Amino acid sequence: LAKTTQPISMDSYEGQEVNITCSHNNIATNDYITWYQQFPSQGPRFIIQGYKTKVTNEVASLFIPADRKSSTLSLPRVSLSDTAVYYCLALNRDDKIIFGKGTRLHILP
Amino acid sequence: DAGVIQSPRHEVTEMGQEVTLRCKPISGHDYLFWYRQTMMRGLELLIYFNNNVPIDDSGMPEDRFSAKMPNASFSTLKIQPSEPRDSAVYFCASSSVRFNQPQHFGDGTRLSIL
Repeated sequence: LAKTTQPISMDSYEGQEVNITCSHNNIATNDYITWYQQFPSQGPRFIIQGYKTKVTNEVASLFIPADRKSSTLSLPRVSLSDTAVYYCLALNRDDKIIFGKGTRLHILP
Repeated sequence: DAGVIQSPRHEVTEMGQEVTLRCKPISGHDYLFWYRQTMMRGLELLIYFNNNVPIDDSGMPEDRFSAKMPNASFSTLKIQPSEPRDSAVYFCASSSVRFNQPQHFGDGTRLSIL
């Protein structure tokens, strides 16, 4: 059964680039990989999604290798307000939606 | 543009009581999802609807859980009878398609069963 695996937590400093990788074996071949951000007492909020190679928007980049067995969320020049939990989301080959357990990112001044 | 609205935000009740959680999706979204979030298991999909019809309820943990969507603007998740292990944050989300578009989440209902 497919699952997603992320680091439980990460620390970084303001102004640094942060990369969070999610491993996802046995995911569907034709669907996007999506990343969400969650602050305390709020629901997850969409950040970015992609199918393969690289996608960039105003807040993040997403790198997906050709085999699609992992994806890396890249946050450029983080600030204190980027402290949150980050989740990857994929669709597995059994057509089930699977969320990772989330990576708790803590940005230090 | 109003987002997904959930009520109540917090619910505290005693074991054995019936609990009803409510959700109003974003207008025009054809898909509605119910999730449960706990520290141990993270975010788990319980059930989702398409055009008010339940499509996949394989994530519903037990027969004590039921969900309905009587119309396009309202859904409920009911637990009867409730148990302490049901304590969690329950999220509702809606989307225009099943998967390859962002899901929009409500702010959740924090449920505590004593």
